[in-house]
Amino acid sequence: DIQMTQSPSFLSASVGDRVTINCKASQNINRYLNWYQQKLGEAPKLLIYNANSLQTGIPSRFSGSGSGTDFTLTISSLQPEDVATYFCLQHNSWYTFGAGTKLELK
Amino acid sequence: EVQLVESGGGLVQPGRSLKLSCAASGFTFSNYYMAWVRQAPKKGLEWVATISTSGSRTYYPDSVKGRFTISRDNAKSSLYLQMNSLKSEDTATYYCARRANSGYFDYWGQGVMVTVSS
Repeated sequence: DIQMTQSPSFLSASVGDRVTINCKASQNINRYLNWYQQKLGEAPKLLIYNANSLQTGIPSRFSGSGSGTDFTLTISSLQPEDVATYFCLQHNSWYTFGAGTKLELK
Repeated sequence: EVQLVESGGGLVQPGRSLKLSCAASGFTFSNYYMAWVRQAPKKGLEWVATISTSGSRTYYPDSVKGRFTISRDNAKSSLYLQMNSLKSEDTATYYCARRANSGYFDYWGQGVMVTVSS
C-alpha cells in the first residue's frame, strides 16, 4: 500500500504570506496527486489535480508542483477565506490520503 | 451545479447494520463511477468503496470487504452503502464522492455521521 506523509500538520500564517504544504509518497506515484480544501462543516473541494492542474474556478494563488514522490501545494498570497484544512490524495494505486494540514491565520 | 447529499447516518449498536444513501443532481449520474470515503474522528480520510457506471463492478479495501456493499440506482440518481456487522472502528463521517474519468474524486458531499456504539 502507498503511504502519504503530509507536513506540517498545523500551520499559522498572516494574510499575504506565501504558504507551502508538502506531501511525500512512499513510492513513485508519477503525477497522480490531488490537493483538496475542506472548510469546517463543508464538503471537501478539489483545488489541484494531477499534481499541477488548477481545477476550474479555483483562484490562481493556488498552485501545485512535484512528481514521483514529493509534492507541494503553494498559496502565493494567503487570504482570510483560505483558512481551512488541506489534504492530499494519491490516485496512482487505489487511493490514499494525507493526514491533513490545518491552516489558521496568525 | 453538482450536488451530492448523503443521508441515513446515526447511532447504531456494534454488530448491527445501517444503509447510507446519496442523492446526486446537477450531472448525468449514470455516466460516472461513484465512491464512498470516510473520516474517523481525529483521523485521516479512508477510501471505502467504488462502483462502476452500471453497477456491475465494485471495489473495496480489505478493511470493509465482505461487510460493506456499494450499490446504485441510476434511474433515481442515487448511491447507497449497505454496512453490515458494524464495528466501533467504523465510526466516522461518510462522504459520497463522484469519480472523475481520470480516476480521482472531483466532487464530494458534506458527509453523514455514523456512530457505532452500545
